[in-house]
Amino acid sequence: GIQVEQSPPDLILQEGANSTLRCNFSDSVNNLQWFHQNPWGQLINLFYIPSGTKQNGRLSATTVATERYSLLYISSSQTTDSGVYFCAVDTGRDDKIIFGKGTRLHILP
Amino acid sequence: AAGVIQSPRHLIKEKRETATLKCYPIPRHDTVYWYQQGPGQDPQFLISFYEKMQSDKGSIPDRFSAQQFSDYHSELNMSSLELGDSALYFCASSLAPLSSGNTIYFGEGSWLTVV
Repeated sequence: GIQVEQSPPDLILQEGANSTLRCNFSDSVNNLQWFHQNPWGQLINLFYIPSGTKQNGRLSATTVATERYSLLYISSSQTTDSGVYFCAVDTGRDDKIIFGKGTRLHILP
Repeated sequence: AAGVIQSPRHLIKEKRETATLKCYPIPRHDTVYWYQQGPGQDPQFLISFYEKMQSDKGSIPDRFSAQQFSDYHSELNMSSLELGDSALYFCASSLAPLSSGNTIYFGEGSWLTVV
């Protein structure tokens, strides 16, 4: 099956810093989504981005489907950005999305 | 906007007991998915349903069963519970199968603790 790799696995930053999270996938995808899981366990959908670039406030994402990777940018980090960021993909060949292992982000005040 | 509703939000069961989780998809969504997330792990796909029929199956233990009802809500039944079943269980829904290019939306999850 498709492999989804995220890097880095852990990231500790000071409040106000910028960060880039990466997601590599091993096969063509029908869809790619970025999620933020907050400390209470809620999975918040950030972007639906099978290709191209999208921006939402301090967050933006870019997916280069031909090179099989996606990047999530977080600017001017806030403590509320802490949590785990997951990349998840579906190939269009079955009814499920596959998650990467996630990047655990900790923003220090 | 209405979201995916899961109940109960928290559940504590003893080993060998049975637990049932319920999921109410977003209105008009006909596809439902179940995921299991162990401590420090990524969510793992269990099973999905489209129009009340199983559409895909992942690493769901034989002790677990699920179904989707005529009103599109779904239930995950877990029997002979083991300590390792302690996890956060997510239900998700989409307007139609993902192969049609739809977005999946997750509920807030049900925390199951087996003691």
